Amino acid sequence: DAGITQSPRHKVTETGTPVTLRCHQTENHRYMYWYRQDPGHGLRLIHYSYGVKDTDKGEVSDGYSVSRSKTEDFLLTLESATSSQTSVYFCAIMGDRSNGNTIYFGEGSWLTVV
Amino acid sequence: RKEVEQDPGPFNVPEGATVAFNCTYSNSASQSFFWYRQDCRKEPKLLMSVYSSGNEDGRFTAQLNRASQYISLLIRDSKLSDSATYLCVVNYYGGATNKLIFGTGTLLAVQP
Repeated sequence: DAGITQSPRHKVTETGTPVTLRCHQTENHRYMYWYRQDPGHGLRLIHYSYGVKDTDKGEVSDGYSVSRSKTEDFLLTLESATSSQTSVYFCAIMGDRSNGNTIYFGEGSWLTVV
Repeated sequence: RKEVEQDPGPFNVPEGATVAFNCTYSNSASQSFFWYRQDCRKEPKLLMSVYSSGNEDGRFTAQLNRASQYISLLIRDSKLSDSATYLCVVNYYGGATNKLIFGTGTLLAVQP
């Protein structure tokens, strides 16, 4: 196991409410990522982090914000959830070069916005 | 054009068959390549890295063609348990950026 946990694993929320997904790692890896996966689109990068307080946008960042106040936690926030944000969200960490920069995923968070 | 493209399938093959998947990428600066396997409602898991010289892991063989910008995955003697979606992944990095781009996946269904 790569030492990544996501919470919550499943959530149903109403349109317009804020939602925060948490990703926690025990590996002390520098890079952390949030992806969403939807039919026909595959995995798309939302935001990523390359260190504490260092984050950057991915290809589908609109409507999402992130924070990384410590190495082990990377939070994804939907400020005002919309139905288009219904998806499965995967957090990932990247191992170092000795591991060939391999990426490891958490088990996913299933979010439904009604 | 997508940065990483795969045939979505599905590939329906009988047990014991050999099946091959291809994946093309558009960024010539790409530096690392991987195949991931994803089962239904599960997270993707690393199947194998792809090296320039080609590499093999049991029934699985991966190859990289930098000139034509594609990678391939060959599965020999398919098993029922090989049924899954196979994701092609391309990594490029420079400075603080270390980005992985995923293909949409190829669905393999191995039939008894």
